[in-house]
Amino acid sequence: GESVGLHLPTLSVQEGDNSIINCAYSNSASDYFIWYKQESGKGPQFIIDIRSNMDKRQGQRVTVLLNKTVKHLSLQIAATQPGDSAVYFCAETGSARQLTFGSGTQLTVLP
Amino acid sequence: DTAVSQTPKYLVTQMGNDKSIKCEQNLGHDTMYWYKQDSKKFLKIMFSYNNKELIINETVPNRFSPKSPDKAHLNLHINSLELGDSAVYFCASSQLGQGMNTEAFFGQGTRLTVV
Repeated sequence: GESVGLHLPTLSVQEGDNSIINCAYSNSASDYFIWYKQESGKGPQFIIDIRSNMDKRQGQRVTVLLNKTVKHLSLQIAATQPGDSAVYFCAETGSARQLTFGSGTQLTVLP
Repeated sequence: DTAVSQTPKYLVTQMGNDKSIKCEQNLGHDTMYWYKQDSKKFLKIMFSYNNKELIINETVPNRFSPKSPDKAHLNLHINSLELGDSAVYFCASSQLGQGMNTEAFFGQGTRLTVV
């Protein structure tokens, strides 16, 4: 079946550095992509989204890049802070009308 | 007000019991979901449901059944609970449509422990 996967299960960065979290997807029909942040004991929370007619979208300290040619999605976090420590998921929606998640990356911000 | 609320937050029960988890959304969304998150944090979709169709992940045992009394509610009923059902279950909702997909909003999760 279709799947959304992440390259790295864990990522550690120094406070103040930039973080990059990657995601590969396999469904070429996917037209909407989302990054979620999940803190311990909480449900996933929306960070940023991007539609398939775009290749870049910026939010506050976050940027999502979409490369449809290689079916790759990335989340960049600028000036990473301790509060950014969490599990990050990419997710996609296509013709199946459901949201499919990748396996998650644990981001740890080091002091 | 909480957008997506699910109850209970914690549920401990014995094997073989039947239990339900309730979910309500006040966002006016047309689609609701149930996800299971295992100990490795993998989020696996179990069901997606709107007022027109139910999509069931084929790997979900038929002991699990979604019940939707109305558009704002999607409850999860589990029969004959097994040890392997222990996980965190998340309810979510979103608005899906042609070119108008929106992000899903999640509840806080229900941690189910089967003993």
